[in-house]
Amino acid sequence: RKEVEQDPGPFNVPEGATVAFNCTYSNSASQSFFWYRQDCRKEPKLLMSVYSSGNEDGRFTAQLNRASQYISLLIRDSKLSDSATYLCSSSNTGKLIFGQGTTLQVKP
Amino acid sequence: DTEVTQTPKHLVMGMTNKKSLKCEQHMGHRAMYWYKQKAKKPPELMFVYSYEKLSINESVPSRFSPECPNSSLLNLHLHALQPEDSALYLCASSQGDRGFLDEQYFGPGTRLTVT
Repeated sequence: RKEVEQDPGPFNVPEGATVAFNCTYSNSASQSFFWYRQDCRKEPKLLMSVYSSGNEDGRFTAQLNRASQYISLLIRDSKLSDSATYLCSSSNTGKLIFGQGTTLQVKP
Repeated sequence: DTEVTQTPKHLVMGMTNKKSLKCEQHMGHRAMYWYKQKAKKPPELMFVYSYEKLSINESVPSRFSPECPNSSLLNLHLHALQPEDSALYLCASSQGDRGFLDEQYFGPGTRLTVT
């Protein structure tokens, strides 16, 4: 079983839609969690850290459920520019472990 | 400013060549990382340097040799690579003093092709 698992998608949604990604992790010792966005042939860019209390940044909301060992990312009012691969990751003592990534395609 | 720079952007090398990848950050970060990413796969950790000392080696073959000359620079020396080593090599850095809370910032990567 992979340490971090995501549905690879693709998720094809119209502009303006709300889309949610979930990610599960198996290592209960994982201490911190992040969402990264990666465009084709580019580097991962940090989108959000994920805290137990949840956090929001504009159209993006991230949640952590430690009891069920999953994290989520909600994107509201999707834009064409949101099309990318979204990588969830967990960290334990500085080692970032990534999920396989979820591909989002936002269509006009 | 969360900029990590990497050179070269692209590198083609033969299996008998020796080359080096370079990474630099000027954010005062004390932890630096090398990752390898194959097409349609997530990045995989190779090495971690913390305060200029190698703290994690993820059982990487010895044909990859990391070096941290100072807190701003990270090199990856390559020798006798195999075609399957062709990948995007990503450098990242983090503050290094927040333990597991550290957020890592990635450079643009070096796209390596081994012929």
